[in-house]
Amino acid sequence: DTAVSQTPKYLVTQMGNDKSIKCEQNLGHDTMYWYKQDSKKFLKIMFSYNNKELIINETVPNRFSPKSPDKAHLNLHINSLELGDSAVYFCASSQEAGRGLVRTEAFFGQGTRLTVV
Amino acid sequence: GESVGLHLPTLSVQEGDNSIINCAYSNSASDYFIWYKQESGKGPQFIIDIRSNMDKRQGQRVTVLLNKTVKHLSLQIAATQPGDSAVYFCAEKLAGGYNKLIFGAGTRLAVHP
Repeated sequence: DTAVSQTPKYLVTQMGNDKSIKCEQNLGHDTMYWYKQDSKKFLKIMFSYNNKELIINETVPNRFSPKSPDKAHLNLHINSLELGDSAVYFCASSQEAGRGLVRTEAFFGQGTRLTVV
Repeated sequence: GESVGLHLPTLSVQEGDNSIINCAYSNSASDYFIWYKQESGKGPQFIIDIRSNMDKRQGQRVTVLLNKTVKHLSLQIAATQPGDSAVYFCAEKLAGGYNKLIFGAGTRLAVHP
C-alpha cells in the first residue's frame, strides 16, 4: 500500500487555468505538507497542516490554496496558473514531534509534475 | 570522494568505493537533521536521521556525522553500489515549533561500475 499518494502524477495545462492536486496518506500522521521542487531540484516548503489546521504558510502567492478536509488528506488548488508555476509538487506527511515518537521525518509522495504552457 | 552540496554538484565514484556527501546547514537552532535520497521520478526517501545531541549515527552502510560547531553534516556511504545513484538532500528542523524541514540544495551521486 502506498503510504503517501498524490494525483495526478503529471499535469499539463494552459496559462490561466485552475487546477487541483490531491494527496492522501494512510500512515495515521497528523501533519501534512506541500513542497515545491524547481528545475534545479531545490525543495521548498509551501504549506503545512496539523490536524486540519494551517500551521505553516510560507511566502506563496495567494493563487495557491491548500485544503484539508480531514487529517489524512491535503489538497492543493492553484488558480490562474502561470508559467513560473511549472515544477514538481510533493505532498508529505509526518507525525508531529512531541508525541513520544522518536522519528519525525516526513514521508513523501511520488510528486506531481506540473507543466504550464 | 567528497562533495559540498551547493548548486546540485555531482559526485562521481567507482562502485565499491566509499562516498562522502557534505552539507552545510544554516541554523544553529536546528535540533534534528535528516538525509534523504531522491531517485529519478520519485519523491525523497528517508535514509538516516540524527538529533543535535549526537555527533554520529550509523545505519546499514550509511553513517551521518554532525559537527554543530561549524554547522556541518555529512553522509558516508560504504561500498557504494549502482543503486545508490540518486540526488541526496540534507534537511534540518528548527528546535520547537512544528516539523518544518529546511532542505539543502542537494548533491547528485553517480556510481560507475
